[in-house]
Amino acid sequence: DSGVTQTPKHLITATGQRVTLRCSPRSGDLSVYWYQQSLDQGLQFLIQYYNGEERAKGNILERFSAQQFPDLHSELNLSSLELGDSALYFCASSVAGGNVYNEQFFGPGTRLTVL
Amino acid sequence: DQQVKQNSPSLSVQEGRISILNCDYTNSMFDYFLWYKKYPAEGPTFLISISSIKDKNEDGRFTVFLNKSAKHLSLHIVPSQPGDSAVYFCAASESGYQLIWGAGTKLIIKP
Repeated sequence: DSGVTQTPKHLITATGQRVTLRCSPRSGDLSVYWYQQSLDQGLQFLIQYYNGEERAKGNILERFSAQQFPDLHSELNLSSLELGDSALYFCASSVAGGNVYNEQFFGPGTRLTVL
Repeated sequence: DQQVKQNSPSLSVQEGRISILNCDYTNSMFDYFLWYKKYPAEGPTFLISISSIKDKNEDGRFTVFLNKSAKHLSLHIVPSQPGDSAVYFCAASESGYQLIWGAGTKLIIKP
């Protein structure tokens, strides 16, 4: 158990809908990262928050947004969903936020299926 | 454009033997490399890393080798154990910026 929790575990929805994925980092970690893993692909970095502020942005679509709240949990919002958004979405946390040299601890992921 | 490639989707190895997982990259500016291990229904967990100033890093049964001229790294597991059966991801970073991940190699350890 990494100490990072993600809810829900599974989510099935229809095209055009909007969903929210939630992540609670390990106790004491200030950084949260979001990744997308499509079928048979590597993880794609989406976005990083550090202590409530956006720190780095990767290949995140404009239809997607995220935020980190004062209690450090984070939410990833996906809107106008398309079939291609079906994927595993991972959240990771780390103590600091400067760079990837700080070990990232991953949650179990949320599997999103768009029908 | 895949900057990090793991060309073997799967690998089967006898228990007790050496497992060698390979990873190639195209960006010569990558200076930090990591291996993660992932079991089904769990998130990836960090295994071992190497900086570009080194060519080898060991941690117990796990050794990572980096060949900068060939833009190639490999993970050696000796001896392989049943618990090593998992998907292994290679990831790389330039100057500590975001991680670029390979597609993973599924390692199966046969008894």
